[in-house]
Amino acid sequence: GQQVMQIPQYQHVQEGEDFTTYCNSSTTLSNIQWYKQRPGGHPVFLIQLVKSGEVKKQKRLTFQFGEAKKNSSLHITATQTTDVGTYFCAGITWGYGNKLVFGAGTILRVKS
Amino acid sequence: EAQVTQNPRYLITVTGKKLTVTCSQNMNHEYMSWYRQDPGLGLRQIYYSMNVEVTDKGDVPEGYKVSRKEKRNFPLILESPSPNQTSLYFCASSSTTEQPTDTKYFGPGTRLTVL
Repeated sequence: GQQVMQIPQYQHVQEGEDFTTYCNSSTTLSNIQWYKQRPGGHPVFLIQLVKSGEVKKQKRLTFQFGEAKKNSSLHITATQTTDVGTYFCAGITWGYGNKLVFGAGTILRVKS
Repeated sequence: EAQVTQNPRYLITVTGKKLTVTCSQNMNHEYMSWYRQDPGLGLRQIYYSMNVEVTDKGDVPEGYKVSRKEKRNFPLILESPSPNQTSLYFCASSSTTEQPTDTKYFGPGTRLTVL
């Protein structure tokens, strides 16, 4: 079945360092979404990417969608303690029941 | 305030005792869905609904039922809960039918323990 793999599972960085999480899909995606979940909280939608090769920025966060629409990345520049949480990607492929398939998430911890 | 609410937030129950987790949204969203979250597995979709009286299975529907009699409510029913259904459950809703998977609003979660 459709799978979305996300790496790394866990990353611990020093405040001010950069952070990147990667997603790879077993199938070509129609779109991909990114969510952030703070410890003890619920997932909060960050962004959706639809076009091949798309790059979007939100302040220190940069999101990319691969040319083949099978991979995506989230890069955070100069991490802050407020960035702590789990980052999930979620992909949808039309024809696979229109289901949103989540990656397992990357847990980010930031040392101050 | 736009929100998705779930009740209860925490529940400890025993095997076989039927339970319902309620979900309600006040945004007039057509699309609603249920997920379970387990460590290392991310969020897995249980059921989803494109609109009133329209529901479909997600990736892990076994042991669950849903109904969508009203647009705002999407309850999750466990007829005979088992310990492997111990998990954190999230309800979610989205605003459009053009892209029904624009899932942008999650409820606060229900932590269920089945003994």
